[in-house]
Amino acid sequence: DAGVIQSPRHEVTEMGQEVTLRCKPISGHDYLFWYRQTMMRGLELLIYFNNNVPIDDSGMPEDRFSAKMPNASFSTLKIQPSEPRDSAVYFCASSFTSVADTQYFGPGTRLTVL
Amino acid sequence: DQQVKQNSPSLSVQEGRISILNCDYTNSMFDYFLWYKKYPAEGPTFLISISSIKDKNEDGRFTVFLNKSAKHLSLHIVPSQPGDSAVYFCAASSRGSTLGRLYFGRGTQLTVWP
Repeated sequence: DAGVIQSPRHEVTEMGQEVTLRCKPISGHDYLFWYRQTMMRGLELLIYFNNNVPIDDSGMPEDRFSAKMPNASFSTLKIQPSEPRDSAVYFCASSFTSVADTQYFGPGTRLTVL
Repeated sequence: DQQVKQNSPSLSVQEGRISILNCDYTNSMFDYFLWYKKYPAEGPTFLISISSIKDKNEDGRFTVFLNKSAKHLSLHIVPSQPGDSAVYFCAASSRGSTLGRLYFGRGTQLTVWP
C-alpha cells in the first residue's frame, strides 16, 4: 500500500508568491494532519481534518496560511503571500480512526522562500 | 508550552552498546505514547508505542518503558547499530479524550558509531 504522498518534495519561491503544498493521505484514514518542522520550534501541528472537515486550525500561524480538504484523498496547504520566515519542512500525516492514534507521515515538502 | 520534553538534543553511542533515549511529559491525562524515527529528507516513521496500562513494550531490539508516576518514558535500543542513527521523536496523546491529539517532543539525534 502506498503511504502518504506529498508534492512537491522541494519548493523554492520568492517572497510574496503563492505556494501550494499537496497531500494524499493513506486510503481509508479518516484524519489528516499538516505539520511544520523548524529548528526553532520543532514539529508544530498546523491544522487537522476529520472526514474532510477542519477540526482544529489553532496552529495555523497567520491568515496567510489556509488549508482545504475537498475530498478524502486530497488536501492542500496554501501560503499567500509567502515570506522568508515560512521556510521550513512541511509534513502531512494521516491516521485511521482517531486523532490521538498512530499517525503516518509523508516524506515532507522542503519550502524555501527567498 | 511543551507538554512532551526530550531534554537531550543528542546522544552518541558505540555500535553494539545500548542506546537509551528519554522523554518526560507533563499532562497526566496522556495515556498513549509513541516513538518515531526520522532520517534526513524523510518523514518521521512510527517505531513503537505503549499504552498507559502497560509499563513495558518490546519489539525486537527496541523496548519502551513507561513510568507513569514519574511521567517518564524511555526507549532502549539493544544492540545499537549504525543504521539506527536518526532523530527520535517521543509523542503522547490522550485517547480517552475526544479532543486529544499527538503532542511531540523536539527530538533527540542519535549517532551510533562503529
